[in-house]
Amino acid sequence: ILNVEQSPQSLHVQEGDSTNFTCSFPSSNFYALHWYRWETAKSPEALFVMTLNGDEKKKGRISATLNTKEGYSYLYIKGSQPEDSATYLCAFMVNRDDKIIFGKGTRLHILP
Amino acid sequence: GAGVSQSPSNKVTEKGKDVELRCDPISGHTALYWYRQSLGQGLEFLIYFQGNSAPDKSGLPSDRFSAERTGGSVSTLTIQRTQQEDSAVYLCASSFSSTGNTIYFGEGSWLTVV
Repeated sequence: ILNVEQSPQSLHVQEGDSTNFTCSFPSSNFYALHWYRWETAKSPEALFVMTLNGDEKKKGRISATLNTKEGYSYLYIKGSQPEDSATYLCAFMVNRDDKIIFGKGTRLHILP
Repeated sequence: GAGVSQSPSNKVTEKGKDVELRCDPISGHTALYWYRQSLGQGLEFLIYFQGNSAPDKSGLPSDRFSAERTGGSVSTLTIQRTQQEDSAVYLCASSFSSTGNTIYFGEGSWLTVV
């Protein structure tokens, strides 16, 4: 059974502080790793798709790194803002033409 | 359409009744996914389609659940003899192919079984 683990489950961060959280996945048969942001009452929104070991992607204040050999990815948020409050999901893909398995997410609360 | 469209957006049904949830993917997307999220849980994989075929049905929770996709486009998820534990938001997503490309989600169908 493929397992995608995210930690922490929940996180409270002061506005303006930077933060990061982790996604762990099986390191064998890696194909792609996705990050999504899911705000309450909206549909999940794609942030990044990463496929290569050592990949680093950036979108504004949010960035992500990927280590496929050890099976983890970090998501970083610099200078947290209230609009960053959401659940951040990572999802793992084993092979081409295969299903995408999601972790349970990290729920981020930004404190004013 | 511009995005993934799901209907109904909300459904309240009595225990034991059948329900059908519909997903209209983004035009041209060959891969289509169904997930659900129950209260307090993460996104649970149900089934995915590549074209009209479903290579992996392993996530369907029981034989009361079935899904089909016709014409490589619209998909229907059917839940027979609904139970209270079926209450969840059912999310559909699509992508150009299941090759690592970004998947795009609909807004979900919120199902409540009373």
